[in-house]
Amino acid sequence: GQNIDQPTEMTATEGAIVQINCTYQTSGFNGLFWYQQHAGEAPTFLSYNVLDGLEEKGRFSSFLSRSKGYSYLLLKELQMKDSASYLCAVRDMRGSYIPTFGRGTSLIVHP
Amino acid sequence: SAVISQKPSRDICQRGTSLTIQCQVDSQVTMMFWYRQQPGQSLTLIATANQGSEATYESGFVIDKFPISRPNLTFSTLTVSNMSPEDSSIYLCSVLTVTRYEQYFGPGTRLTVT
Repeated sequence: GQNIDQPTEMTATEGAIVQINCTYQTSGFNGLFWYQQHAGEAPTFLSYNVLDGLEEKGRFSSFLSRSKGYSYLLLKELQMKDSASYLCAVRDMRGSYIPTFGRGTSLIVHP
Repeated sequence: SAVISQKPSRDICQRGTSLTIQCQVDSQVTMMFWYRQQPGQSLTLIATANQGSEATYESGFVIDKFPISRPNLTFSTLTVSNMSPEDSSIYLCSVLTVTRYEQYFGPGTRLTVT
């Protein structure tokens, strides 16, 4: 099985940088996803990491360390619209392509 | 990417009745799934919808309660049967693209059972 842990809630200031951490334990690793979910809306795909290192995509970056079972999502130049829940999801080696989702981190961006 | 539509977007239903949710995707996808998300909770996988055969259910979910159909590669339905207030939730259709690593979600169906 899998155990995925991320902080429940974080707050940050507009224009700042915030890092949302995700730690996981899995019997085999086959990729880690980050999703953004605004209240009342469906999750939207942000990133996918399967190899160690940093993947940058505009204001958002995602980092993975497989040996440490650790990932983070880095959001730069925060905007009010970044207030949302951020879900970490991990896929294992069972042969299925279905990831298991963490509980999500609610990010509140204030002026 | 894939664009997914769901119908209805929301409904209020009485205890004991059933509701069928439809999911349509704009392109052929390898896998389709149904998730449930209760308030303040993460996503729970109900089942994988298999084309032309019975769905694969996760632990805690059974076909009699959540019958699923997938007659072709772009369409699926989920029925919530004999509803109780505990079934009040958001139900989300999701697909995996042919690349097998990008997963997309429909807008969800917000169900309230009274």
